[in-house]
Amino acid sequence: QVQLVESGGDVVQPGGSLRLSCAASGFTFSAYNMHWVRQAPGKGLEWVAFMWSSATYYADSVKGRFTISRDNSKNTLFLQMDSLRVEDTAVYHCAKDSATFAFDIWGLGTMVTVSS
Amino acid sequence: QSALTQPPSASGSPGQSVAISCTGTSSDVGGYNYVSWYQQSPDKAPKLMIYEVSKRPSGVPDRFSGSKSGSTASLTVSGLQAEDEADYYCSSYAGDNKWVFGGGTRLTVL
Repeated sequence: QVQLVESGGDVVQPGGSLRLSCAASGFTFSAYNMHWVRQAPGKGLEWVAFMWSSATYYADSVKGRFTISRDNSKNTLFLQMDSLRVEDTAVYHCAKDSATFAFDIWGLGTMVTVSS
Repeated sequence: QSALTQPPSASGSPGQSVAISCTGTSSDVGGYNYVSWYQQSPDKAPKLMIYEVSKRPSGVPDRFSGSKSGSTASLTVSGLQAEDEADYYCSSYAGDNKWVFGGGTRLTVL
């Protein structure tokens, strides 16, 4: 079945780096654009990043610190997170773009905690 | 990129209808017919319920409907059922390949 599984979440100190992965299955990964969306503890959803073909787009809150990328040969989406801040603490979900400006498939997410 | 405004909570009895609002600006909700709604139950991934303001993906019951007037979108759940109890989030395309979400509404079935 169509599935997205995130991994790579961890506890990291402020200023540190982390690389998240999202393994896709059940659909032709290379044919679809992909997003990262995060959810801070007890808070709402926040769009983080979008990859359309090779073009990348970011929320102002992470621009210059986060990098979205993908490896179509491995059906995997990545999020490189640098210069992490306490406010980046959240569950990070990858989501498939529906081609109708919506997010039609989501993963369960991976937890990133930024704390000293 | 300010978050869209949703009421923090909504409730209704089984069989009743409840509407959840989502207010943005002319730069997002008011500027595009690309509002979507998501249902999230505890420890579950969000599920797409409505896209392009009022369209339902395959498998979503027709008790769920969406609409928009100006910069405010709404999700209406008719014939409330116990399994509808969840958090609901709206989202809108905001131009320049960016998106914005609402703060979420917890729907309680009394």
